[in-house]
Amino acid sequence: LAKTTQPISMDSYEGQEVNITCSHNNIATNDYITWYQQFPSQGPRFIIQGYKTKVTNEVASLFIPADRKSSTLSLPRVSLSDTAVYYCLVGDTRYSSASKIIFGSGTRLSIRP
Amino acid sequence: EAGVTQFPSHSVIEKGQTVTLRCDPISGHDNLYWYRRVMGKEIKFLLHFVKESKQDESGMPNNRFLAERTGGTYSTLKVQPAELEDSGVYFCASSLGTGFAEQYFGPGTRLTVT
Repeated sequence: LAKTTQPISMDSYEGQEVNITCSHNNIATNDYITWYQQFPSQGPRFIIQGYKTKVTNEVASLFIPADRKSSTLSLPRVSLSDTAVYYCLVGDTRYSSASKIIFGSGTRLSIRP
Repeated sequence: EAGVTQFPSHSVIEKGQTVTLRCDPISGHDNLYWYRRVMGKEIKFLLHFVKESKQDESGMPNNRFLAERTGGTYSTLKVQPAELEDSGVYFCASSLGTGFAEQYFGPGTRLTVT
């Protein structure tokens, strides 16, 4: 799986839009980009996945440029409850063995009042 | 629908003792996975069950770890004997399909070996 690079931590305030960028220069043609969220004392939780351009769901948006070497997770109007660690994973989600999953260090997002 | 549950939530044992962690997957999920994050490190895959069969156990660190899934329902992960470096959080996940975006994770068991 492609190795990813993301900021170790980010701080923001309630009501702001937060953008977390992930670099994945070695992404392969069949790879998808998947973001997970992990709250303290909980397991990771899937939030969004995309292949190219833009994907939006009720939680977040994912922007992927044409070269797919990076992606940006966008959280609109964050609240205190969005404080969590966010992981960017890259791989062929259809066929990759779980043994090849690389969570990385993630980005620790802290939201302040 | 109940999510993935794990028991206990926290276990403190002494070096050399045995501990058994349990995972109850979401009902109907044939795929069950174990992961762990040891202190200061990243979440790493341990093994994958499809029903009661071990599909991939390439992440198991050594023979002190034994995972079972009798009957293809819940799974146990036994550590015997436990070492200090086994301390960390052990996560279980389950899914219908094998795509990793489909996995639902449990809350984890925090294991402390003293």
